[in-house]
Amino acid sequence: DTEVTQTPKHLVMGMTNKKSLKCEQHMGHRAMYWYKQKAKKPPELMFVYSYEKLSINESVPSRFSPECPNSSLLNLHLHALQPEDSALYLCASSPGQFQPQHFGDGTRLSIL
Amino acid sequence: DAKTTQPPSMDCAEGRAANLPCNHSTISGNEYVYWYRQIHSQGPQYIIHGLKNNETNEMASLIITEDRKSSTLILPHATLRDTAVYYCIVTETSGSRLTFGEGTQLTVNP
Repeated sequence: DTEVTQTPKHLVMGMTNKKSLKCEQHMGHRAMYWYKQKAKKPPELMFVYSYEKLSINESVPSRFSPECPNSSLLNLHLHALQPEDSALYLCASSPGQFQPQHFGDGTRLSIL
Repeated sequence: DAKTTQPPSMDCAEGRAANLPCNHSTISGNEYVYWYRQIHSQGPQYIIHGLKNNETNEMASLIITEDRKSSTLILPHATLRDTAVYYCIVTETSGSRLTFGEGTQLTVNP
């Protein structure tokens, strides 16, 4: 069982669609993360939120737009994605710095 | 960030100890060593972390050499459910960024 819940588990979208990925945690963690994982590759950090403010953006294209409405919720808004954006998108949270990250099981995204 | 080097794959017999090595020769004095694993179709799972001293929890033990240039993750009694990719990660100083390497695919055989 995972304490970080990601929805949907699977998403298929066209290149002109707009969709959002959702991540939720109720552990009181103040840091939340988005990672992207291509098939047979390690996860790569995309964004870090600390106390609901964006603290790290790893030069991610603007077609990915993160949002942290409150301390329990993290969204990733998707628009005009490319086929190469097909991947597993992982969300994680941690109490703070130098503390372990708890991961969800991801959203598997396919771009047609 | 300090770079880590791990063998791409290892095999272990069920019930035996699995010893997974990691080299991090450029580690800085205030960088931690973290271990995560990822079972197929799941998100990564935290296992253990340490700075200088050896650490043990209910999942595993972490042995860090005195010069901190390498470490070993020990799963004392491996089971089939321990089959996964194991990642050794050295955190950058802010602690916010985990940079995953290629990891070690551990296969536990019956």
